[in-house]
Amino acid sequence: QVQLQESGPGLVKPSETLSLTCTVSGGSISSYYWSWIRQPPGKGLEWIGYIYNSGSTNYNPSLKSRVTISVDTSKNQFSLKLSSVTAADTAVYYCARPLVDSSGYYYYYWGQGTLVTVSS
Amino acid sequence: DIQMTQSPSSLSASVGDRVTITCRASQSISTYLNWYQQKPGKAPKLLIYAASSLQSGVPSRFSGSGSGTDFTLTVSSLQPEDFATYYCQQSDSTPHTFGGGTKVEIK
Repeated sequence: QVQLQESGPGLVKPSETLSLTCTVSGGSISSYYWSWIRQPPGKGLEWIGYIYNSGSTNYNPSLKSRVTISVDTSKNQFSLKLSSVTAADTAVYYCARPLVDSSGYYYYYWGQGTLVTVSS
Repeated sequence: DIQMTQSPSSLSASVGDRVTITCRASQSISTYLNWYQQKPGKAPKLLIYAASSLQSGVPSRFSGSGSGTDFTLTVSSLQPEDFATYYCQQSDSTPHTFGGGTKVEIK
């Protein structure tokens, strides 16, 4: 059974870079889609982007200039970097793995989420 | 971006009630529509994919329908564990946008 676990600082200063890692267990990280999704406190879900097959990326245009998603196959981890953060980036960040077939992308595997607060 | 609009944003219902939540896409998304349930402090859980396919392990009281721009999630007989927030999400094109959510509360 695939399991995902987010890790990283819970507090980031404004204008700095948010960095999170998702550790994948129970399966290889190769040849799948890996995604980040966030949820501001009390609000809805926002798709950040995904990485596929360890190299091909697709980002939300609203965040594209600030986001980087990468994979470290040697550690079975993938990561999120979000630069120049503001208070609006305060959210619970989830890593997720969609199942992908002719029916589309459906997000089945999720981490438990980690709250990142942007504050000085 | 494709905008997903859910209604209502919240509802109050009793155990045993039939509940219907609607989701409308700003353009046609065929059946690339998923439904999730989220409880406080937890990650979303996939209920329905491809508009009407029940994810394995999800109770049969949940059902989904629709295609194009209009979709519904129905709970045939609401159970105590179903009080939660429900989200629709499209995967027809990126970004994979979510609806604003529908909070189902106890009447």
